[in-house]
Amino acid sequence: RKEVEQDPGPFNVPEGATVAFNCTYSNSASQSFFWYRQDCRKEPKLLMSVYSSGNEDGRFTAQLNRASQYISLLIRDSKLSDSATYLCVVNTNNDYKLSFGAGTTVTVRA
Amino acid sequence: NAGVTQTPKFRVLKTGQSMTLLCAQDMNHEYMYWYRQDPGMGLRLIHYSVGEGTTAKGEVPDGYNVSRLKKQNFLLGLESAAPSQTSVYFCASRNYDVGDYGYTFGSGTRLTVV
Repeated sequence: RKEVEQDPGPFNVPEGATVAFNCTYSNSASQSFFWYRQDCRKEPKLLMSVYSSGNEDGRFTAQLNRASQYISLLIRDSKLSDSATYLCVVNTNNDYKLSFGAGTTVTVRA
Repeated sequence: NAGVTQTPKFRVLKTGQSMTLLCAQDMNHEYMYWYRQDPGMGLRLIHYSVGEGTTAKGEVPDGYNVSRLKKQNFLLGLESAAPSQTSVYFCASRNYDVGDYGYTFGSGTRLTVV
């Protein structure tokens, strides 16, 4: 079983819509969770960390459900510029390393 | 502020050739990593380093070697390239501070082995 699994999508949504997707992780001892954004043929960039109580950054909301071992990302009022692949990232047993999901592709259309 | 710089950006190799990918960071980060990214598989860790002079194997280390002789540089070597090593390679670095887990990535090296 993969350490981090994501629905690859794609999620095709109109501008202004809300889109949400989840990521599941296998290691119940995982402590750190992140969402990264990757544009086509570019490097991943940190979008936001995910905290136990859930957190918001502008139009983006991240949630953590430890009992069911998943994290979620919700994007409100989608913009064309939100089109990207979103990578779920979880720490492994070793704090030095992070495990990446394969990504969820979001396409926002005009 | 350059961040993480990877060279080269593109390379085509013939099977059996060797090459070295260079990663340089100017943020004084302790930890450095080499990942490869293939379609549908996400980023997979090849090797990593937690400090100058130290290296460790990641998830997919076979066919690769690394060295971290200086804190700011992390080199990835392919001794005898194979078509299965065709991929996009990303270097990343991270600070040591507890709670600061974000990676900074380089812009990637696109390698094709024919």
